[in-house]
Amino acid sequence: QKEVEQNSGPLSVPEGAIASLNCTYSDRGSQSFFWYRQYSGKSPELIMSIYSNGDKEDGRFTAQLNKASQYVSLLIRDSQPSDSATYLCAAHSGGYNKLIFGAGTRLAVHP
Amino acid sequence: NAGVMQNPRHLVRRRGQEARLRCSPMKGHSHVYWYRQLPEEGLKFMVYLQKENIIDESGMPKERFSAEFPKEGPSILRIQQVVRGDSAAYFCASSREGQMDGYTFGSGTRLTVV
Repeated sequence: QKEVEQNSGPLSVPEGAIASLNCTYSDRGSQSFFWYRQYSGKSPELIMSIYSNGDKEDGRFTAQLNKASQYVSLLIRDSQPSDSATYLCAAHSGGYNKLIFGAGTRLAVHP
Repeated sequence: NAGVMQNPRHLVRRRGQEARLRCSPMKGHSHVYWYRQLPEEGLKFMVYLQKENIIDESGMPKERFSAEFPKEGPSILRIQQVVRGDSAAYFCASSREGQMDGYTFGSGTRLTVV
């Protein structure tokens, strides 16, 4: 069973701090990884994709990938209350054009 | 707007009735994916379809659930004889042929079984 694991949280950080969200995956054939943000009652929104080992930065977001450790992370710098949401990690199922999602980590940024 | 369109947004069904959820993919997209999200849980893959073809239905319950994506018209997820446990948000996403990057979800259908 191919799986993606995340801590459910909640992860609580003060405004302006760095939020660090982590994810592990079991399928070594996975080549593409994604972070989605989901506000309560809304649909998931793609915020980051990463395909190669290392870091990828986009504004306040940095995705990190370590294929040897089967580990993906998302850093949010200068966290804002508007970042409070559930963050879903997803891995491409090797050989198939579908994504496997983790259960999500709930992030709460408090003023 | 050429986004993924789902309807209805909210659907209430009594136990034993049928639910039909519709998904129109983004313009130019020929692949559709259905996911289910139970309250306070992550997204669970249900089925992956191309036009007139089911590619992967490994996440579909064996009974009462079916999906299609006809040559013309939207993709349909059909749930027969609904039970309370079917209450969930159902999301659809689409992609182009061979597209391997993340896909965009529709706004979802919230099914409530009473």
